[in-house]
Amino acid sequence: DQQVKQNSPSLSVQEGRISILNCDYTNSMFDYFLWYKKYPAEGPTFLISISSIKDKNEDGRFTVFLNKSAKHLSLHIVPSQPGDSAVYFCAASKETSGSRLTFGEGTQLTVNP
Amino acid sequence: DTAVSQTPKYLVTQMGNDKSIKCEQNLGHDTMYWYKQDSKKFLKIMFSYNNKELIINETVPNRFSPKSPDKAHLNLHINSLELGDSAVYFCATEGLSYEQYFGPGTRLTVT
Repeated sequence: DQQVKQNSPSLSVQEGRISILNCDYTNSMFDYFLWYKKYPAEGPTFLISISSIKDKNEDGRFTVFLNKSAKHLSLHIVPSQPGDSAVYFCAASKETSGSRLTFGEGTQLTVNP
Repeated sequence: DTAVSQTPKYLVTQMGNDKSIKCEQNLGHDTMYWYKQDSKKFLKIMFSYNNKELIINETVPNRFSPKSPDKAHLNLHINSLELGDSAVYFCATEGLSYEQYFGPGTRLTVT
């Protein structure tokens, strides 16, 4: 039972344009959501998070949007840069210490120069 | 100065052997995790420790035994290795806002 899903295995965008990565979840108990970026042969790197009490969180070029009623979140990257090319994982958990992260299967983003 | 480090980065071994993967963090975090990324690229939690005490133990065979000698270390020992244990294993720590910081991973190949 995959509780966090990223339905697009890959996404290709042009440099300078917006990248939108999507994620859906099924477990209503999740109240904390995170995005990670992963380069080959490296561990996932934390990018940005959002608590369920918010619907938007912004950090530089990265913005995460949360739609609780639809159980959907998205990551917007604007403008996209070639260095953003990586696998992006969505993750969800309870906002407490020691809470396990449940990951989606990842989306490979390719930003073309 | 690496925040979360793992050794070795690559590990090739034969079925039936016993091996250990070490994890060290210099972030001063209290909670540490082990995750497994399988061939389908899913990252799944295996264990969680807080201040050297086990707090999460997912449905993992008891051939896998985590050990935390101190707050900065969480090692993973695997007995009687099987082909299905081949995967990338990631150690992680938990920051103040519950975000997790991952090590570079250990690619285990069992032949």
